Amino acid sequence: EPEVTQTPSHQVTQMGQEVILRCVPISNHLYFYWYRQILGQKVEFLVSFYNNEISEKSEIFDDQFSVERPDGSNFTLKIRSTKLEDSAMYFCASSRTGENTGELFFGEGSRLTVL
Amino acid sequence: GNSVTQMEGPVTLSEEAFLTINCTYTATGYPSLFWYVQYPGEGLQLLLKATKADDKGSNKGFEATYRKETTSFHLEKGSVQVSDSAVYFCALRGGYQKVTFGTGTKLQVIP
Repeated sequence: EPEVTQTPSHQVTQMGQEVILRCVPISNHLYFYWYRQILGQKVEFLVSFYNNEISEKSEIFDDQFSVERPDGSNFTLKIRSTKLEDSAMYFCASSRTGENTGELFFGEGSRLTVL
Repeated sequence: GNSVTQMEGPVTLSEEAFLTINCTYTATGYPSLFWYVQYPGEGLQLLLKATKADDKGSNKGFEATYRKETTSFHLEKGSVQVSDSAVYFCALRGGYQKVTFGTGTKLQVIP
């Protein structure tokens, strides 16, 4: 069964460093998302991406965050200068359709620890 | 905007007990409703969904009915197992929008 894959599974970084989290969405999906979850709490939306541009972003997704789909298969989340409060589990998701009937398929997550 | 409210956890049940996790929503239009499950140390998996009013989603013995009149999508299971211990998230998706999640309800089933 097709699945969303994420790398790395866990990354430890120093505050102020840049981090890139990578995702390979399901191949025929067109809509891509990043969510985060702090310490097993609420799953928070960060950004959605369609047709090579951001379609929606939350207030969490400030200028320190960026996303891109560099090669038609990977979907990356970059945090330019990490802060302690960026420590969280980051989930990538993809959907075949933008219609409300389409569910999101999630990866296993990338745990980011900022020291 | 869209929002989802679900009952606070944790919920602790004995094996074979009946489970209900309440979920209500606020949305414009006609969203689809979902239950996702997160097992310890894992990602989010779709458990079931319903795309229109009065639809019943079901999977692995879990059921939820889309009630437009009460804006609810309560999750039920007749007899829980230890392996059902997980965090359950109610969620909705409006047309061409992101999925909005509730806060999650942790279920612990004891033998």
